[in-house]
Amino acid sequence: DAGVTQSPTHLIKTRGQHVTLRCSPISGHKSVSWYQQVLGQGPQFIFQYYEKEERGRGNFPDRFSARQFPNYSSELNVNALLLGDSALYLCASSLPRGRGHGYTFGSGTRLTVV
Amino acid sequence: RKEVEQDPGPFNVPEGATVAFNCTYSNSASQSFFWYRQDCRKEPKLLMSVYSSGNEDGRFTAQLNRASQYISLLIRDSKLSDSATYLCVVNEAGGGADGLTFGKGTHLIIQP
Repeated sequence: DAGVTQSPTHLIKTRGQHVTLRCSPISGHKSVSWYQQVLGQGPQFIFQYYEKEERGRGNFPDRFSARQFPNYSSELNVNALLLGDSALYLCASSLPRGRGHGYTFGSGTRLTVV
Repeated sequence: RKEVEQDPGPFNVPEGATVAFNCTYSNSASQSFFWYRQDCRKEPKLLMSVYSSGNEDGRFTAQLNRASQYISLLIRDSKLSDSATYLCVVNEAGGGADGLTFGKGTHLIIQP
């Protein structure tokens, strides 16, 4: 069975550009969450989507946006990129609202902003 | 502000030894607790959930103290392959609209 898949795996962008990252959850998982992990830190929560609706948002600026599609895949968009946006972006899928079963992460998209 | 605090290490431990990690969390509403393992430049992977009664999975034992808001992980008979960063993770009841809260991780190095 396919796990959580993310694309692209690596990306290099320049400051001010826009980026779109994609995630497909595990089959049957309806909840998708996005996390940002900078070097030396734990992942930081960005968004959670469940049944195509935003259910939670972390402390990130409005340059960050996301959406979930009818097939439960998701996109994370970041506008006006800053050098500080360079990080590993992780997508996680789970059964409804987590419910203590834990989250399965994709292998991430490593974004470098130059 | 919801925080999870861990000793970042690194913990340098000889192969075969027992090692223990601790973490504390600030949000008393937290209801789900996990330990994740993360290898260098890889994604976090669920090691085990943590229950109030304590739970064991092979060489790994996790404990939760809700009164002290404290979580622990014990690794017995450590292997070289246990070298990784161990992330303490908490979540609110029902999945939580605020997502998972991660500690910064504890780096473990098992030495031959």
